[in-house]
Amino acid sequence: AQSVTQLDSQVPVFEEAPVELRCNYSSSVSVYLFWYVQYPNQGLQLLLKYLSGSTLVKGINGFEAEFNKSQTSFHLRKPSVHISDTAEYFCAVSEDQRNFNKFYFGSGTKLNVKP
Amino acid sequence: EAGVAQSPRYKIIEKRQSVAFWCNPISGHATLYWYQQILGQGPKLLIQFQNNGVVDDSQLPKDRFSAERLKGVDSTLKIQPAKLEDSAVYLCASSLPRGRGRYNEQFFGPGTRLTVL
Repeated sequence: AQSVTQLDSQVPVFEEAPVELRCNYSSSVSVYLFWYVQYPNQGLQLLLKYLSGSTLVKGINGFEAEFNKSQTSFHLRKPSVHISDTAEYFCAVSEDQRNFNKFYFGSGTKLNVKP
Repeated sequence: EAGVAQSPRYKIIEKRQSVAFWCNPISGHATLYWYQQILGQGPKLLIQFQNNGVVDDSQLPKDRFSAERLKGVDSTLKIQPAKLEDSAVYLCASSLPRGRGRYNEQFFGPGTRLTVL
């Protein structure tokens, strides 16, 4: 991918409110799309992925994302957040190279869920 | 199933010193990745191995960084000499090889936090 852009570096939200974390990408080849979550002092954990098929994908912990090819976006949503969702979220793109997948990550969005 | 193991978890060194990080991938995962995650940024792929061969090292600063994966299992990433801007978390990840599907999920280790003074 030429770039993976996460438009919001921080998103504060109250518990039980809906949230959307935005991700846009640019690429000239076919891509796979991912969202990862990172809790403090831990590695990245896969939330969900889009490989093909339905553009609305559901992941763990009640998160979902929608792939919009025309807008080159893959926004992450959750209808009602919990305190435990406080973490940093990374959007990632995998480009289909000749014999391997090349991964690019966005700069991350810190989700801060307040009581 | 054991996850990706990394050591050490934390390392503090002075600039111009050398440092090495170790990664043990999930058993059976032929593909191994090293990422650099600078504070406030997303992970940046440094090098990707398939078994013990390098498939992509285009973003590895080869004048000071090196990596090897002997016998296609464990891997070490070395920095020699370190600079202040190398302060970051170094993440290792592994996955099944692409030949078993066009995409296989990456599993990440907890990372090594490097501070260069």
